Amino acid sequence: RKEVEQDPGPFNVPEGATVAFNCTYSNSASQSFFWYRQDCRKEPKLLMSVYSSGNEDGRFTAQLNRASQYISLLIRDSKLSDSATYLCVVENGDTGRRALTFGSGTRLQVQP
Amino acid sequence: ETGVTQTPRHLVMGMTNKKSLKCEQHLGHNAMYWYKQSAKKPLELMFVYSLEERVENNSVPSRFSPECPNSSHLFLHLHTLQPEDSALYLCASSQDRRRKLFFGSGTQLSVL
Repeated sequence: RKEVEQDPGPFNVPEGATVAFNCTYSNSASQSFFWYRQDCRKEPKLLMSVYSSGNEDGRFTAQLNRASQYISLLIRDSKLSDSATYLCVVENGDTGRRALTFGSGTRLQVQP
Repeated sequence: ETGVTQTPRHLVMGMTNKKSLKCEQHLGHNAMYWYKQSAKKPLELMFVYSLEERVENNSVPSRFSPECPNSSHLFLHLHTLQPEDSALYLCASSQDRRRKLFFGSGTQLSVL
């Protein structure tokens, strides 16, 4: 099983739609979780951290489900500028490495 | 001014060349990383330097050699690369190894 698994998409949605991505992780000892956004040929940029209680930042909501070992990202009222690849990132719970592991990303295309 | 700067942005090299990638972070972080991003693959952690300790992915070939002279500078020395090493190489930094990463713009490397 991959350490971090995401549906690659693409998700093609119209402007104004609500879209949700899920990401599963294999290491139950993981403590830190993030969503990054990566535009084509650019570096990844932090979108938001994911907290146990869930968190919201404007149109974006992130949730963590430790029991089922997945995190989610919900985007409401999609904009054309939201088109990008969204990377799920999980801290590797192995204390010997203690680094972040990236999923392959989910591509979102918002259409006019 | 970006927090993490990488040079060069693009690099084309032959298999017998020796080149180096440079990264500098201006964020006061104590950990720096090299990641490799190949087409349609997740970011792959190559090396981590944290508080003068180096952690590496054992699958990285020896033709990649990192150097971290201080907490602000990181190099990746390249020699006798193969065409399959062509990829986007990203430098990142963080405050502690489980915390969010800040990426440089990357070096798009092509090996001929």
